[in-house]
Amino acid sequence: DAKTTQPNSMESNEEEPVHLPCNHSTISGTDYIHWYRQLPSQGPEYVIHGLTSNVNNRMASLAIAEDRKSSTLILHRATLRDAAVYYCIFNFGNEKLTFGTGTRLTIIP
Amino acid sequence: DSGVTQTPKHLITATGQRVTLRCSPRSGDLSVYWYQQSLDQGLQFLIQYYNGEERAKGNILERFSAQQFPDLHSELNLSSLELGDSALYFCASSVGTSGTKDTQYFGPGTRLTVL
Repeated sequence: DAKTTQPNSMESNEEEPVHLPCNHSTISGTDYIHWYRQLPSQGPEYVIHGLTSNVNNRMASLAIAEDRKSSTLILHRATLRDAAVYYCIFNFGNEKLTFGTGTRLTIIP
Repeated sequence: DSGVTQTPKHLITATGQRVTLRCSPRSGDLSVYWYQQSLDQGLQFLIQYYNGEERAKGNILERFSAQQFPDLHSELNLSSLELGDSALYFCASSVGTSGTKDTQYFGPGTRLTVL
């Protein structure tokens, strides 16, 4: 099953770093870990993805555990525009894939 | 703007009816994916097409069908609609067919309301 486990909700103060965890213990060796976020009434937006090494882009960083059974999305300085539901996914196209409920991130001004 | 377009934005219809949702992928993308998002459930993968051929199937009901045309746009047909089919339907596209590697880009969605 392409199942991930994330906390239902998290809060962070504006301009502080945010660490969003995800467990994916059934991931296979060739599955990439993808993170998406979704604002209300919008389609999911790609954030970052990686396989084994830590990854950085202009939006975020992705830290992948050595055993690949978990990962953490890092937003370095949260802004109000980062308030969204964050999903961690692997194995797109798997017939059992669901995005799950993700983590609802609230940013406190 | 992801480059993926979906029409219509909103659709209101009655039970028992049939509707067609349309998706145009990003330029250059060969794969199209359809997802359903209900209020009480997360995003559920329905089906994937790659260059006109069905590639992967998820939790798609028999009353639903999809196809991808030679110009790569895709249509999702929903028939014998029930109240429970009310949901947001998203289309996504990617360059290749690798379900595990390719980044998917999502459209703005079609909100279907069945009365």
